[in-house]
Amino acid sequence: GAGVSQSPRYKVAKRGQDVALRCDPISGHVSLFWYQQALGQGPEFLTYFQNEAQLDKSGLPSDRFFAERPEGSVSTLKIQRTQQEDSAVYLCASSFSSPSYNEQFFGPGTRLTVL
Amino acid sequence: AQKVTQAQTEISVVEKEDVTLDCVYETRDTTYYLFWYKQPPSGELVFLIRRNSFDEQNEISGRYSWNFQKSTSSFNFTITASQVVDSAVYFCALSEYADMRFGAGTRLTVKP
Repeated sequence: GAGVSQSPRYKVAKRGQDVALRCDPISGHVSLFWYQQALGQGPEFLTYFQNEAQLDKSGLPSDRFFAERPEGSVSTLKIQRTQQEDSAVYLCASSFSSPSYNEQFFGPGTRLTVL
Repeated sequence: AQKVTQAQTEISVVEKEDVTLDCVYETRDTTYYLFWYKQPPSGELVFLIRRNSFDEQNEISGRYSWNFQKSTSSFNFTITASQVVDSAVYFCALSEYADMRFGAGTRLTVKP
C-alpha cells in the first residue's frame, strides 16, 4: 500500500526484554516521527528524523529508548530492558518535507504490552 | 512550553445534532500550526485540517467547520448534522516545529 506501515502490529514482551519496532514511511517522505500513545491519552512526541539525521530526541523518556533511520527511509525504535510503564501504542508518522506545515501521515501503530 | 487542552473528555449526541469540540492552546511562538486529527476505533489517526497562526479565516468542509480565534487561543471544531460514522476520538494538536503536541482527546459518540 501507499501509506505508512508498522510492524509488528502487536508485541508482547516480558519485563526486561528488548524490543524493536519498525516503521516504513511513505516513499519519498523526508520527515519521520515517533509518538507514544498511552491508553486514553493523546500521542506524545518521542523523536524526529529528517532523512537519516535525528534532529530532535527530546521526547524519548529514558536512555532505554533508541531510534535510528540509517538510510533515511525505514526507521526502528528500540526499547531496551522493557518496563511495564512502556506499555503503549507506538505510532510512526511521516511527512513530505518540513515538519510543521506539512500534514503528518500516521501508521496503524504497534501495541506493546509488557508483562 | 506549548500545551493543548481539550476540556471535554467525552461527548454523546444523537444523530443529526450539531456538536462542537473545544480546543485551547498555549504557545509563546508567533508562528505555529494547529491541527485536528480523528482516531476511529481502528486506531489510525486521520488528518482533518491544518491551520497556520497567520490565517484566522474560518474553514468549512462539508459538515465540518473550524473556528480559529487567536484572541482566545482557541481552535474549535464543529460537526453539523452528526452521523454515527463520526463516532471517534478527536485530537487537537499544536506544532511550533517538529514536536507536535496533542491534547488528551475528546471521545465523541453519536447514537442513532
